[in-house]
Formats: sequence, structure tokens, C-alpha cells
Amino acid sequence: NAGVTQTPKFQVLKTGQSMTLQCAQDMNHNSMYWYRQDPGMGLRLIYYSASEGTTDKGEVPNGYNVSRLNKREFSLRLESAAPSQTSVYFCASSMGQGGVQETQYFGPGTRLLVL
Amino acid sequence: GNSVTQMEGPVTLSEEAFLTINCTYTATGYPSLFWYVQYPGEGLQLLLKATKADDKGSNKGFEATYRKETTSFHLEKGSVQVSDSAVYFCALSAVNTGFQKLVFGTGTRLLVSP
Repeated sequence: NAGVTQTPKFQVLKTGQSMTLQCAQDMNHNSMYWYRQDPGMGLRLIYYSASEGTTDKGEVPNGYNVSRLNKREFSLRLESAAPSQTSVYFCASSMGQGGVQETQYFGPGTRLLVL
Repeated sequence: GNSVTQMEGPVTLSEEAFLTINCTYTATGYPSLFWYVQYPGEGLQLLLKATKADDKGSNKGFEATYRKETTSFHLEKGSVQVSDSAVYFCALSAVNTGFQKLVFGTGTRLLVSP
């Protein structure tokens, strides 16, 4: 099993450009998440999806949209990139419906630089 | 609100030294507590967890005990190895609006020299 995969690994954008970060999991997990990791701030939740067809905002959703395309895939879109969105983005998944004891499994991350 | 506070890093140790990384939390209700580890160039992976007070999580020689009275979940290892060099994140999980929300600390970088 590949676990959680993310593409691309690295991307450079100019301010105002758009892009979609792709995430897929092969563990048949129900819940999926997008986080951003910034120096000195730990990981912060952008959006999550408890099941196919549902999405909800996390702590820092502004400037992002998501799509839960099917059970396997959860994409994150930046419609008009800003330098403040320079960060490392992690996708994660968990088996159930988001129970408090669940373990989340993380992808390797996408490093995004917005100039 | 819910929050996690970790000690500032980096923590620099020699191989076979004893490790403690402090973690305290603030939460309503009864959260679950986690330690995740991030090796260079990789995503986070679960190291250990504890789901109720006085539980001890353990894995790969690391241990942490859920202390409700001191709201702490300190990570310890008796003898570190060079391969333990990584960033360690303490996190809590609390259910808000019926769904798990993981709240992470800022991470502590551990550097182990031979």
C-alpha cells in the first residue's frame, strides 16, 4: 500500500495564479484532512471531509477550496495565490468518521512557494 | 479553546542520553493525546497515543503518560539514538461539532549526535 500520496512535491507560483494540490489514499479511509505547516506554528487544519461528498472548514479556510472527488481523493485549490500561502501542505486520512481516538495518517507534503 | 504547549527546541543530545520533551495542554472535556514524529523530508507519523487519564502510550522505546491533574503528556526515552533525530509534535484531539479536531503544538526538534 502506498498510504497517502500527494502531488506535486514542490511548486512555485506567482501571486494571483491558481493551482490544485492533489491527495489520494488507498487505505479505504472515510475521513480526509488538509493542513498547512508554518515555522513556529505547528500544523493548522484548513478543511476536512468526514465522508465522500461532505466537506467542512477548519481553522484557516480563507483563500482555499476543496473537493472530495470520491472516497480516495481530496483536492485543495488555491484560486488566487498570495505570498501568505507559502507553506508546506499536508494531506491526512483516518479510518472512521472522525472519532476522538482516531489516528491520522499523513502524506509526505507539498512545499509551495508563492512569489 | 483547546491548545497545546511544547518546549522550545532544538534539543541537542548525545547518543544514549535520556530524553524528555515537555508537553502541556488546555482542553475542555476529555481529549485524547498524541505524539507524532516527522523525520526529515517526510510527513508526520503517529509515535504513540493515550486516550484517557493515567494511560501510558509507548512505542519504539518512547513513553508518555496522560496526566490529567497536571494537564501534561511529556515524552521520554531512556537512551536516544542518532536515528531518533526528528521533529516531535504533541497533539490533542477533541470533538467539536461531532468531529475530531487535532490541535498541534509547535513541534520540538531533536538532534542526536554520535
